[in-house]
Amino acid sequence: GQQVMQIPQYQHVQEGEDFTTYCNSSTTLSNIQWYKQRPGGHPVFLIQLVKSGEVKKQKRLTFQFGEAKKNSSLHITATQTTDVGTYFCAGQNSGGSNYKLTFGKGTLLTVNP
Amino acid sequence: DTGVSQNPRHKITKRGQNVTFRCDPISEHNRLYWYRQTLGQGPEFLTYFQNEAQLEKSRLLSDRFSAERPKGSFSTLEIQRTEQGDSAMYLCASSSPTSGAFREQYFGPGTRLTVT
Repeated sequence: GQQVMQIPQYQHVQEGEDFTTYCNSSTTLSNIQWYKQRPGGHPVFLIQLVKSGEVKKQKRLTFQFGEAKKNSSLHITATQTTDVGTYFCAGQNSGGSNYKLTFGKGTLLTVNP
Repeated sequence: DTGVSQNPRHKITKRGQNVTFRCDPISEHNRLYWYRQTLGQGPEFLTYFQNEAQLEKSRLLSDRFSAERPKGSFSTLEIQRTEQGDSAMYLCASSSPTSGAFREQYFGPGTRLTVT
């Protein structure tokens, strides 16, 4: 079955440093979604990428979808303490009625003020 | 829009007992999903409904697990004869019929199950 791998598993940074998490799928995806889960919270949708090579920005966050639609990355510029949490990528395939998301294990980001 | 709600938030049960969780999706969301999340892992897909029809079930969903969405609104997830390995956070999510083929999912706060 489809597998989604994320690295690194953990990342600790000083406030102001940049952060990047990488996501790789074993299969070609129709789209990829990114979610953030704060400690003790539930996943919250951040963004969806659909097109090959797509790049989207949300303030200090930059999301990329690979040309082959098998990998993605999330880059945070100048981290802040509010960025703390686990960032998950989740891949989705189309076809039939299959709209389930396959999540990676996530990258836990901690930020030292 | 009050968001996805789940009840109870916490459940402690003894091994062998049956438990039932409830999820109320965002109103008018026709798709509803159940996931299980253990510590240090991402949510794992269990099953999903489009309206009242259960369209897919994961192999993770053993015959002790059953889910229903009788009127296409709220859903229940029941676990029979609970085992310690069932201890996890059970998350419910819903998605809108109006946001395109690939839809973001809105998660509820989850039900944390502890089997002793």
